Amino acid sequence: EIVLTQSPGTLSLSPGERATLSCRASQSVSSRYLAWYQHKPGQAPRLLMFGVSNRATGIPDRFSGSGSGTDFTLTISKLEPEDFAVYYCQQYGTSPTWTFGQGTKVEV
Amino acid sequence: QVQLVESGGGVVQPGGSLRLSCTASGFIFSDYCMHWVRQAPGKGLEWVALIWYDGTKKYYAESVTGRFTISRDNSKNTLYLQMNSLRAEDTAFYYCARTRAAALYYFDSWGQGTLLTVSS
Repeated sequence: EIVLTQSPGTLSLSPGERATLSCRASQSVSSRYLAWYQHKPGQAPRLLMFGVSNRATGIPDRFSGSGSGTDFTLTISKLEPEDFAVYYCQQYGTSPTWTFGQGTKVEV
Repeated sequence: QVQLVESGGGVVQPGGSLRLSCTASGFIFSDYCMHWVRQAPGKGLEWVALIWYDGTKKYYAESVTGRFTISRDNSKNTLYLQMNSLRAEDTAFYYCARTRAAALYYFDSWGQGTLLTVSS
């Protein structure tokens, strides 16, 4: 089973700053199979990116994804107040199975 | 707009059973594969189960195989999760989520979750 490790665990930033979140896989992941989600307490998780770098419907362009193989990055170019949340990377395996990283909390 | 609303959570004793429901609206339910994903307190997300759009295929995480059963009623736009032989480690928020059969790779809509607590 592929394990996803996200870093850092917590990112303390201010609105307007750039956030860089890392997701490292224990084995190579196809780019088609890597996604990112945003999750706020009491709310439904929200798909941000799929296929590494494709923004989901309605996601602003301050969110971008990059990477390949075992190293992937989610970047938020300028943090807005509504961006403070927990972010998860996720990969799809062909069993089928889906695994998530442990999350990065972006806090003020 | 797409809406997924979970219900049925509560407090259950170890060894007990419970059935969760997820009611869908705003899209053609029978076009989508449906999943249950859970999040234990203070932990990350864990995929639990998948049911094909027509109910013909079902897949489970190892941690719930033999204890949980996923099902759906497309006439009622509703997804279910029957949970038996519950353990303390099953305590979590349970979310339903959808994927397309042709793009199983990511969950494009989620519900807000329902909380299951397994405790004596």
